[in-house]
Amino acid sequence: NAGVTQTPKFQVLKTGQSMTLQCAQDMNHNSMYWYRQDPGMGLRLIYYSASEGTTDKGEVPNGYNVSRLNKREFSLRLESAAPSQTSVYFCASTLTGADTEAFFGQGTRLTVV
Amino acid sequence: TQLLEQSPQFLSIQEGENLTVYCNSSSVFSSLQWYRQEPGEGPVLLVTVVTGGEVKKLKRLTFQFGDARKDSSLHITAAQPGDTGLYLCAGRPNDYKLSFGAGTTVTVRA
Repeated sequence: NAGVTQTPKFQVLKTGQSMTLQCAQDMNHNSMYWYRQDPGMGLRLIYYSASEGTTDKGEVPNGYNVSRLNKREFSLRLESAAPSQTSVYFCASTLTGADTEAFFGQGTRLTVV
Repeated sequence: TQLLEQSPQFLSIQEGENLTVYCNSSSVFSSLQWYRQEPGEGPVLLVTVVTGGEVKKLKRLTFQFGDARKDSSLHITAAQPGDTGLYLCAGRPNDYKLSFGAGTTVTVRA
């Protein structure tokens, strides 16, 4: 019953460092998403992948890159971390379709100092 | 400007009172969803509304989809402390992109 698994759960970076957030789902879902959550701003979409081999920008893509490694895995990379990227990051997955349920990971709390 | 606007941003009420949370957009959606999120966890789906004018009930929670499919509301009757959480509405401007509102933080005091 793993669902969506994110690693790591917590991370502290120095400004300018790079890191990759990992996400994997075991539900055979087609679509995967990366969101960031900041106080008072809900979930803002960074990037999404409609299916294996495709990725698209969301509302706040600047400073991030993604890779849809295979159907199961979707990673988010910060090449040069900035304090403005301090946030809680969530990965989610869904089947394709207008009213399908999104399943979320537990989140990664990232602090950039 | 967010695609989905939620109001109010915060709501604090006494146990047993009723509350309503609103989700509005200038865009038409084929469906809207409501999620609830507890501290330290990811959001969990409560309901999906798919037909204009539709009303769905989940115990003490009532969800309505506007006739024009641009808005939705969540009404909680006789709120309990266990209803405390962040309530988020979500919709798809296309079949793949899933966008969320800013959320409403509900606190129910015992």
